[in-house]
This record gives sequence, structure tokens and C-alpha cells, in this order.
Amino acid sequence: DQQVKQNSPSLSVQEGRISILNCDYTNSMFDYFLWYKKYPAEGPTFLISISSIKDKNEDGRFTVFLNKSAKHLSLHIVPSQPGDSAVYFCAASLNNNDMRFGAGTRLTVKP
Amino acid sequence: DAGITQSPRYKITETGRQVTLMCHQTWSHSYMFWYRQDLGHGLRLIYYSAAADITDKGEVPDGYVVSRSKTENFPLTLESATRSQTSVYFCASSVFGELFFGEGSRLTVL
Repeated sequence: DQQVKQNSPSLSVQEGRISILNCDYTNSMFDYFLWYKKYPAEGPTFLISISSIKDKNEDGRFTVFLNKSAKHLSLHIVPSQPGDSAVYFCAASLNNNDMRFGAGTRLTVKP
Repeated sequence: DAGITQSPRYKITETGRQVTLMCHQTWSHSYMFWYRQDLGHGLRLIYYSAAADITDKGEVPDGYVVSRSKTENFPLTLESATRSQTSVYFCASSVFGELFFGEGSRLTVL
């Protein structure tokens, strides 16, 4: 029972354009959502997060949007850069433990 | 250097053997986690620990054993390895809801 779903296994965008990565979840009790970025042969690294009491959080080129009624969140990267090419994992947690991850979306930013 | 250290980074073993993956953190974070990463499944939680001597099952605990006698160490043991346990294993610690991951241990079971 996958509680966090990333339905797009891959996404390709042109440098300078916007990248939009999507994530859906099923458990309405999740109270904290995060995005992690992973390069090959490395562990995932934290990118940005959002609490369930907010609907938007911005950090530089990265913005996360949360739509609780739709149980949907998205990560916007603008402008996209070749160095953003990585696998992005959406995650959701309940009470700071038992964090659940999606299957990941591989983003390729073409120069 | 401070952080999460996993060992070994790469391991090849045979079906039925016992394997232990080590995880050490230098931050004294209370929470520690073990995940496995498989294509199409993303990261799945195996076990987590809220503090020394407190552990709990995650999504896919079968076939794994953990212990946490000290805050900084959280070893994961496969008591009798199976081919389905071939995977990349990530240890992580947590503070304020953010996970910090190690570099991963790639395990191949033949």
C-alpha cells in the first residue's frame, strides 16, 4: 500500500524552463511533506519542506505547493539548470517518524 | 567528519548467509532509520528507532533485525539473506522532521 505516489518516473525539460514534479498521497494524517534530491551513488539530500498548515513554501528557485483537499503536492524549479538533473523523491511524515517516500521522478535538464 | 557513515559501501554475499550493515552518526540525533531503495518502489522504511533501546517496524521489516544499544549506532542485520534483499540500503537520522542520509550500502545476494 503505497501511501505516497509519484506517477511520473521521468521528466525532461530545457534549461531555463520550469520543472514541475508532482506527488500524491493517500493518508490525510500526514503533517509534514518534504522533497529530497538524489544524485547517483549518493544518499538523498533534503531540498525543501512544507508543513500541512501551509500551502506554499519558497526557497530560491524551488517552491513547494500543497493542496490538502486534493492530497497533492508539487515541486516547482524555475529556472531549471543542468545541475538540477537528479532523482527527486517526495516524502510525507506523521509526527516526525515513519516517513514514507514516493518512487521518485528522474529529472533531466537539457542544456 | 560529522554525519552519517555506513559500512560496508558494497557487499556481495550468498543466500542464507548473515549480513550486518553498520550505521554510525555523530550528531546524537534521537531518531534513526533504515530504508531500502528499489527501482519502482523508491525508498521503503525497514525499521526505525526513536532512541537507544527503542525500535519499531516500518513498511518492510520481514527478514531484518535491528538493535540500538547506543544512540550513535544502528546496525541492520539480515539473519539469512535472500535474493529479494538485493538492494541499496540507506541509513538516516532525523532532527525536526528532516532526514539526513548516509551514502548507502549496495548489497547483492547471489
